[in-house]
Amino acid sequence: NAGVTQTPKFRVLKTGQSMTLLCAQDMNHEYMYWYRQDPGMGLRLIHYSVGEGTTAKGEVPDGYNVSRLKKQNFLLGLESAAPSQTSVYFCASSYFTRNPGTETDTQYFGPGTRLTVL
Amino acid sequence: LAKTTQPISMDSYEGQEVNITCSHNNIATNDYITWYQQFPSQGPRFIIQGYKTKVTNEVASLFIPADRKSSTLSLPRVSLSDTAVYYCLVGDAAAGNKLTFGGGTRVLVKP
Repeated sequence: NAGVTQTPKFRVLKTGQSMTLLCAQDMNHEYMYWYRQDPGMGLRLIHYSVGEGTTAKGEVPDGYNVSRLKKQNFLLGLESAAPSQTSVYFCASSYFTRNPGTETDTQYFGPGTRLTVL
Repeated sequence: LAKTTQPISMDSYEGQEVNITCSHNNIATNDYITWYQQFPSQGPRFIIQGYKTKVTNEVASLFIPADRKSSTLSLPRVSLSDTAVYYCLVGDAAAGNKLTFGGGTRVLVKP
């Protein structure tokens, strides 16, 4: 199993350009997430998905769009990149959430995509 | 989601035990406490999770008092490879499994 993979690993964009980050998981997980991590900071949730065809906003969704057309893939799009979006982007996945009061499912993270917007 | 507070950084030496305490005063009844480890240029990795009392696995121990307003991650006999950032999170399985990462604790293990 490859686990969670992310494409590309590095990217440099100019302000106003667009791009799509791809996340793929081969663990048959229902849940998938996109986070960003700025230097010296913790991770912040951008968007997440609880299943194929569904998406929801996280803590910092502005400037990003996502799609989950296939269960194994979760795409993060930047329509018009800004320097404030320079960050490392992590994708994660986890199993379907169980009933309240049970343990949260472990999130498995990808290696990250380092994005620089000039 | 309950917020957490943990020390920004800690230094230790090889072979010592490292204890990181996390405060989560507003933890909800259904919340579990989870710790992740992150090495530079890598995504976080699950270490341990618990609800109350003590949990131990091959990597660490997690101590949770009865009021659950704090928890302590214990790393026994650390080595240089344990240098990383450690995140304490609380979350509810019913809340979409969303987790809020704080700033974490940067642990530096010295020779």
